[in-house]
Amino acid sequence: DTAVSQTPKYLVTQMGNDKSIKCEQNLGHDTMYWYKQDSKKFLKIMFSYNNKELIINETVPNRFSPKSPDKAHLNLHINSLELGDSAVYFCASSQDYRGQGLFFGEGSRLTVL
Amino acid sequence: AQSVTQLGSHVSVSEGALVLLRCNYSSSVPPYLFWYVQYPNQGLQLLLKYTTGATLVKGINGFEAEFKKSETSFHLTKPSAHMSDAAEYFCAVTRNTGFQKLVFGTGTRLLVSP
Repeated sequence: DTAVSQTPKYLVTQMGNDKSIKCEQNLGHDTMYWYKQDSKKFLKIMFSYNNKELIINETVPNRFSPKSPDKAHLNLHINSLELGDSAVYFCASSQDYRGQGLFFGEGSRLTVL
Repeated sequence: AQSVTQLGSHVSVSEGALVLLRCNYSSSVPPYLFWYVQYPNQGLQLLLKYTTGATLVKGINGFEAEFKKSETSFHLTKPSAHMSDAAEYFCAVTRNTGFQKLVFGTGTRLLVSP
């Protein structure tokens, strides 16, 4: 029974396409996040939602649009994909916005050709 | 703003040897500190965290870390390495108030040889 699940696990697509990654958590947490891990394993926060409200929006191109239909789900839509978007995208959740102990999904590896 | 520096992108130890992974942080406010482990093709798993109270914190799999404010450090140790400890380890920091976001270090790959 996976706590934080992401789909799809792998995405291979062409430049210019639009793609979405879905995330769901069954932990009853209030806060969810999207992190990007680049090819050098560096992890950087992109967005955070608390009870469906956007609370953190880092310097991310506006081609990236998160959506939280309810507090258990946080999806990431990416328009006009570029080569530099290739990375592993991790969804995470925490009990509240204090973020004490994030639970991570297994990641979605996006490859843009 | 917070930041984390992990010294050594790779650390190699023999099975049974002491594991020491270094982490130094920078924070203008009292920090919360974390260590996460990432196995190949998996997400990150919380090993341990320091928020308040005792500065020596124990985590899963026999790991522990000590918060040293004077040295701005939060090094991770394990007395005896096991082959299964081979993974990528990330130190992270966040502030202790308001909306928090974890800032990660660049990671240290732990290699364990027989």
